Amino acid sequence: GAVVSQHPSRVICKSGTSVKIECRSLDFQATTMFWYRQFPKKSLMLMATSNEGSKATYEQGVEKDKFLINHASLTLSTLTVTSAHPEDSSFYICSAKVSSWTGVNTGELFFGEGSRLTVL
Amino acid sequence: GDSVTQMEGPVTLSEEAFLTINCTYTATGYPSLFWYVQYPGEGLQLLLKATKADDKGSNKGFEATYRKETTSFHLEKGSVQVSDSAVYFCALSKSGDNFNKFYFGSGTKLNVKP
Repeated sequence: GAVVSQHPSRVICKSGTSVKIECRSLDFQATTMFWYRQFPKKSLMLMATSNEGSKATYEQGVEKDKFLINHASLTLSTLTVTSAHPEDSSFYICSAKVSSWTGVNTGELFFGEGSRLTVL
Repeated sequence: GDSVTQMEGPVTLSEEAFLTINCTYTATGYPSLFWYVQYPGEGLQLLLKATKADDKGSNKGFEATYRKETTSFHLEKGSVQVSDSAVYFCALSKSGDNFNKFYFGSGTKLNVKP
């Protein structure tokens, strides 16, 4: 099946630094990708919808200046956590919606393996 | 608002035991319901889905029935294997959102011991 890869899978950073997480669709094109966040023992919450070539759409309560999203190509979206603080420590997961790929129905969603961020 | 609630884990079973993971939902309209599974070190994978009331989704021995009267979508398997050890997420999505927006439960970790 289609593969979505996230990098890094784990990252530890100091408070005040910025961290970038990449989400790549390896064998299909995705004009739309999604970023989720999961707190311990809580549900995965949709943070934002990333659209190739345009601005991301953020869910209510998500700070767009804090969580910068760039969807630079049909196979790559990045999430940058700026000036990270310990409360930003969380599990971040992306998903990609197939827009073009032979053998897979367009519109199907595939998820990355997640990135665990720890801010000291 | 729309939401999904699933039983907390971890759930620990012996091989060949019967599995039930409860999931209930709250939603306006007519959502589609999903179970996703995440094996260690991998992304979420669609396990099964049901798009309307009374539909039964099934895959790899797992099944779940969309029960509108009880707003439930419980996951079951008659005989679990060690390889079923993973985290299971219940989720809903709606056609009104073009199935873009998913509401997930908190996940239930299943440990199957030989």
